[in-house]
Amino acid sequence: DAKTTQPNSMESNEEEPVHLPCNHSTISGTDYIHWYRQLPSQGPEYVIHGLTSNVNNRMASLAIAEDRKSSTLILHRATLRDAAVYYCILSVLTTSGTYKYIFGTGTRLKVLA
Amino acid sequence: DAGVIQSPRHEVTEMGQEVTLRCKPISGHDYLFWYRQTMMRGLELLIYFNNNVPIDDSGMPEDRFSAKMPNASFSTLKIQPSEPRDSAVYFCASSLGQGMNTEAFFGQGTRLTVV
Repeated sequence: DAKTTQPNSMESNEEEPVHLPCNHSTISGTDYIHWYRQLPSQGPEYVIHGLTSNVNNRMASLAIAEDRKSSTLILHRATLRDAAVYYCILSVLTTSGTYKYIFGTGTRLKVLA
Repeated sequence: DAGVIQSPRHEVTEMGQEVTLRCKPISGHDYLFWYRQTMMRGLELLIYFNNNVPIDDSGMPEDRFSAKMPNASFSTLKIQPSEPRDSAVYFCASSLGQGMNTEAFFGQGTRLTVV
């Protein structure tokens, strides 16, 4: 089964870049890589997603390895509001022809003032 | 749009009672998902609907759990009878399109405690 592996926790200083790694060595060619984050007492919130190429949006950048077996979420300047659990998720094509999210255990990011 | 709306936000019930969780998806979204989150198991997909039709319920833990979507703007997740191990935060999410190239929007969740 497809799965992702992330470090349990990371720390970063405020205003510094943060690189959150994710391993997904069992990824298939049709699986998309999504990142969500969950703030305390909130539902998960979309951050970014990609398939093969690196992606940028207003929140973050996603760097995907050439073999697609790993990816890195990059927060360019961490703020205190970025403290959250970050989930690396595979969007997996099922045998029924539909996609479903496979959530990992997430990385708890702590941002130090 | 106010986003995905779940009710109640908190529910405390006694073991054996029926519990109904409610969800209003974002207008126009054609996919609706129910997730459960616990410390031990993290986020688990229970069931999802496309255009009000259940597509995959393989994550529903047992027959005590049931979900319905009578129309495009409302869904329920029912547990009957409830057990202490059902205590968790239940999230509803909706999306336009599904999975591969879309963004899912999650509600605030319902924290269920079964005593």
